[in-house]
Amino acid sequence: GAGVSQSPSNKVTEKGKDVELRCDPISGHTALYWYRQSLGQGLEFLIYFQGNSAPDKSGLPSDRFSAERTGGSVSTLTIQRTQQEDSAVYLCASSLNGGLANQPQHFGDGTRLSIL
Amino acid sequence: AQSVTQLGSHVSVSEGALVLLRCNYSSSVPPYLFWYVQYPNQGLQLLLKYTTGATLVKGINGFEAEFKKSETSFHLTKPSAHMSDAAEYFCAVRPQAGFQKLVFGTGTRLLVSP
Repeated sequence: GAGVSQSPSNKVTEKGKDVELRCDPISGHTALYWYRQSLGQGLEFLIYFQGNSAPDKSGLPSDRFSAERTGGSVSTLTIQRTQQEDSAVYLCASSLNGGLANQPQHFGDGTRLSIL
Repeated sequence: AQSVTQLGSHVSVSEGALVLLRCNYSSSVPPYLFWYVQYPNQGLQLLLKYTTGATLVKGINGFEAEFKKSETSFHLTKPSAHMSDAAEYFCAVRPQAGFQKLVFGTGTRLLVSP
């Protein structure tokens, strides 16, 4: 598609379950980012992938969070043993080349995650 | 570390009035600057960006912003507000080299009344 695609758009799950969130970046974009948007915390960086390089995981809040990017395209963010504080909107973005700081990031519509 | 301050979590204007959303950044070296808009239940859409060159930047939907190095500011303006401008606006910075993440302000919700 033309834009960044995220699925599911909404996810409700019980505390303690694992969840997987998917991001399909814009075709040809080598950089992919995950952010979390929650009340009181604003927009937080989670992780950044650039091509085949090792990802920058500096924003992941705990070891329950992990992400992978297969074939330099689709990415999956996994949250294990979910907690209520994980409830947030998870946004994915991509850019043409993360090494070029003037390239804007294009965002998907996000996955709204609710932990019961 | 870089940071962004957006003054006013909410700004209310009347339709047709000037819109002014404030953004100040903290950085020893001028970063690249971005404004994004977020409509309900949607992701962030790029309004405009400043990287180099002209300090007055024009974006989509009639918005513009001016980079003022001496004031470390990048305020967003629009001469005449429309009802459709009601949304949340985020200012973001990114260093010119190194670190690749965007650092966002806390956002300003623009309310437009008829």
